[in-house]
Amino acid sequence: KAGVTQTPRYLIKTRGQQVTLSCSPISGHRSVSWYQQTPGQGLQFLFEYFSETQRNKGNFPGRFSGRQFSNSRSEMNVSTLELGDSALYLCASKRDRNYEQYFGPGTRLTVT
Amino acid sequence: GIQVEQSPPDLILQEGANSTLRCNFSDSVNNLQWFHQNPWGQLINLFYIPSGTKQNGRLSATTVATERYSLLYISSSQTTDSGVYFCAVAAGGSYIPTFGRGTSLIVHP
Repeated sequence: KAGVTQTPRYLIKTRGQQVTLSCSPISGHRSVSWYQQTPGQGLQFLFEYFSETQRNKGNFPGRFSGRQFSNSRSEMNVSTLELGDSALYLCASKRDRNYEQYFGPGTRLTVT
Repeated sequence: GIQVEQSPPDLILQEGANSTLRCNFSDSVNNLQWFHQNPWGQLINLFYIPSGTKQNGRLSATTVATERYSLLYISSSQTTDSGVYFCAVAAGGSYIPTFGRGTSLIVHP
């Protein structure tokens, strides 16, 4: 069974631009979560989608948004990029709430 | 929210040594996972262990939910074990895991 995939793997953007990251979950997994990892803050939860609905949300500004499609693939968007948005963005999928979570390889975003 | 504390923050070992990594959490656990993050950033699942003991090769883990801690044992460490080990805990009424700050392990040949 294929694992979680994320595209692109690396991205360089300029402050003020916007970016869209994509995640394809493991087949059969309906929950997709997004995390931001930085050296200073560690791994922080952004949001979770389940059956095309945002089910949980972390403590991030409204510039961070996401969506999920009917095939469970998910995208996250960051608008008006700031230097502090430079991070590794990780996507994870699982069947439902209380199941084991699996991570993709991440997208490394650099904002200059 | 739940507090997750991992210790030690850093660990340096010689190949062949054994080690124990600890994860303390502040609330009753719904689920708990251990991950290994390799140098390329990939989080690799080690154990899904909200309670009890599991073993997988040289690695084993124990979670004592009533005392709010989990331990990860690495025996006969190898250089490929290097990386950061994370504990992720979902507790109370939430199913969203909170990550500890990790234990950075370096294994020297």
